[in-house]
Amino acid sequence: GQNIDQPTEMTATEGAIVQINCTYQTSGFNGLFWYQQHAGEAPTFLSYNVLDGLEEKGRFSSFLSRSKGYSYLLLKELQMKDSASYLCAAMDSNYQLIWGAGTKLIIKP
Amino acid sequence: DVKVTQSSRYLVKRTGEKVFLECVQDMDHENMFWYRQDPGLGLRLIYFSYDVKMKEKGDIPEGYSVSREKKERFSLILESASTNQTSMYLCASSLSFSGANVLTFGAGSRLTVL
Repeated sequence: GQNIDQPTEMTATEGAIVQINCTYQTSGFNGLFWYQQHAGEAPTFLSYNVLDGLEEKGRFSSFLSRSKGYSYLLLKELQMKDSASYLCAAMDSNYQLIWGAGTKLIIKP
Repeated sequence: DVKVTQSSRYLVKRTGEKVFLECVQDMDHENMFWYRQDPGLGLRLIYFSYDVKMKEKGDIPEGYSVSREKKERFSLILESASTNQTSMYLCASSLSFSGANVLTFGAGSRLTVL
């Protein structure tokens, strides 16, 4: 079957670094997405990886290892506004998205 | 700068009522999707559409139908609402089916069925 696993909740301190992991199993693979969702709001796109390696976008970076079925989202210099849920989704061979349940990130001052 | 608009943010309906959830996008996107989001579960695809008047079942289509009469509008219909359809419903759109198929979501419609 197809599935995505990510931690349910994580806590970090303002100004610190946090890594949110995601493992996936899909029938074929066409890329891995990360979305951010603040409480009561729409998910918004953060990153897309299809090749192995690290993609950096400002304070956020995303990593992919296709051979391990593994990705992580790295958030640096955490700010209070980064408190949100982070959704991992893998695209299968039919270009359908398989979604994880999301990781709720709590930032403490 | 609103791109995907869902007509109702909160709805309360009674069991057996017919429910319409409307979604409009202004980005001229080909594809539109309806998901439901429940605590502890990933987004689950109900239906999607890749063209006007075209629809495809997602993972959980039972109890739902959809309508896409115009490119910009995709409606989700609950013919006879039940309590297990209490959920957050998210509409999304995307330009095309490809690897980098970025979804733009609406703010969601929270439906409570009593």
